[in-house]
Amino acid sequence: DAGITQSPRYKITETGRQVTLMCHQTWSHSYMFWYRQDLGHGLRLIYYSAAADITDKGEVSDGYVVSRSKTENFPLTLESATRSQTSVYFCASRGGGRGELFFGEGSRLTVL
Amino acid sequence: AQTVTQSQPEMSVQEAETVTLSCTYDTSESNYYLFWYKQPPSRQMILVIRQEAYKQQNATENRFSVNFQKAAKSFSLKISDSQLGDTAMYFCAFTSGTYKYIFGTGTRLKVLA
Repeated sequence: DAGITQSPRYKITETGRQVTLMCHQTWSHSYMFWYRQDLGHGLRLIYYSAAADITDKGEVSDGYVVSRSKTENFPLTLESATRSQTSVYFCASRGGGRGELFFGEGSRLTVL
Repeated sequence: AQTVTQSQPEMSVQEAETVTLSCTYDTSESNYYLFWYKQPPSRQMILVIRQEAYKQQNATENRFSVNFQKAAKSFSLKISDSQLGDTAMYFCAFTSGTYKYIFGTGTRLKVLA
């Protein structure tokens, strides 16, 4: 199916564990993004990527790592999960010249 | 700094009535894009409507329309003939075309039967 998919949709982990959230898009969009959504904060940018092998930090990047070896994939890794990283994570891509973001279905992560 | 403010955390409307959600923003840019996204309980973020700042005409998409006041930096969303399926969180968002998107904190809309 065309679009942007995230996995897993739900994940429970423990403090200190490494967690990777996957994101895959089928449109060949250049720009991809990772956001976290928390009550009272809207969506905050963690990392973005302008193309394969080009990534840069957003406003809340501490504790997160990304890679983008292929245009279609943009995984987000929490190197050592903390309770403050309990959140809903959204991957998004930007297509064409219209400026809008296309979002995945979100991944709810709980860190115990 | 660019900001987006949604001053109504929660709103409710009767089915078939009209409701307006408010959004104000701050920027020094002259050209930019504004969006309204809908997030139903399923959590999916769905684009409702977009507006390009250089276009004076207000965008419309079926029952959804915006009132874009560039000088006042206001971008409100009007939902006509509200339906139960419109119950969702609505986010206003801004971008000047770079990687940076600014989202408001959202307005939770409940449509009452």
